[in-house]
Amino acid sequence: EAGVTQSPTHLIKTRGQQATLRCSPISGHTSVYWYQQALGLGLQFLLWYDEGEERNRGNFPPRFSGRQFPNYSSELNVNALELEDSALYLCASSLYRGTGGGYGYTFGSGTRLTVV
Amino acid sequence: ELKVEQNPLFLSMQEGKNYTIYCNYSTTSDRLYWYRQDPGKSLESLFVLLSNGAVKQEGRLMASLDTKARLSTLHITAAVHDLSATYFCAADRGSQGNLIFGKGTKLSVKP
Repeated sequence: EAGVTQSPTHLIKTRGQQATLRCSPISGHTSVYWYQQALGLGLQFLLWYDEGEERNRGNFPPRFSGRQFPNYSSELNVNALELEDSALYLCASSLYRGTGGGYGYTFGSGTRLTVV
Repeated sequence: ELKVEQNPLFLSMQEGKNYTIYCNYSTTSDRLYWYRQDPGKSLESLFVLLSNGAVKQEGRLMASLDTKARLSTLHITAAVHDLSATYFCAADRGSQGNLIFGKGTKLSVKP
């Protein structure tokens, strides 16, 4: 069974540009979550999508947005990139809606975004 | 607001020694998770703890949960170099879709 897949692995953008990150959940998982891991800030919850809708978002500005497609894959968009957006962005999926439940969350390998 | 605190944040151990990582959380949590992260890599799920008194073991790692004390521990037995990594505990509550992570414990096992 394929795990959570993310693309691209690395992304280099210039300040002010837009970045698009992609995630495909494990087959059968409808919930997709996005997390940011920035140096010194730890792992922070960004967004939760389920059944095509944004269900919850963390304490991030509106220029962080995304969507979920009918096949449950998801896209994270970061507009007007700032230097501090440089981080590892992790996507996860879960069997249960909004929680890892007894099986936990499965994380993808991440996208390393560098803003120069 | 659910907060998760881990300690220690850094741990240097000798091979063969035992040690425990502590994870405290501030309010009632339904589930507690432990993850391992190698440098530059993603998070690998280690344990899912669901109820008070839950204990799970995998190799040299054992995790436990005390919901009354709001405390989970990750015990390392007879550490080996391969266990060097950063370990995170995390908690979620209800079905809100947000996992709250501790800051992580960077473990270094030296010969």
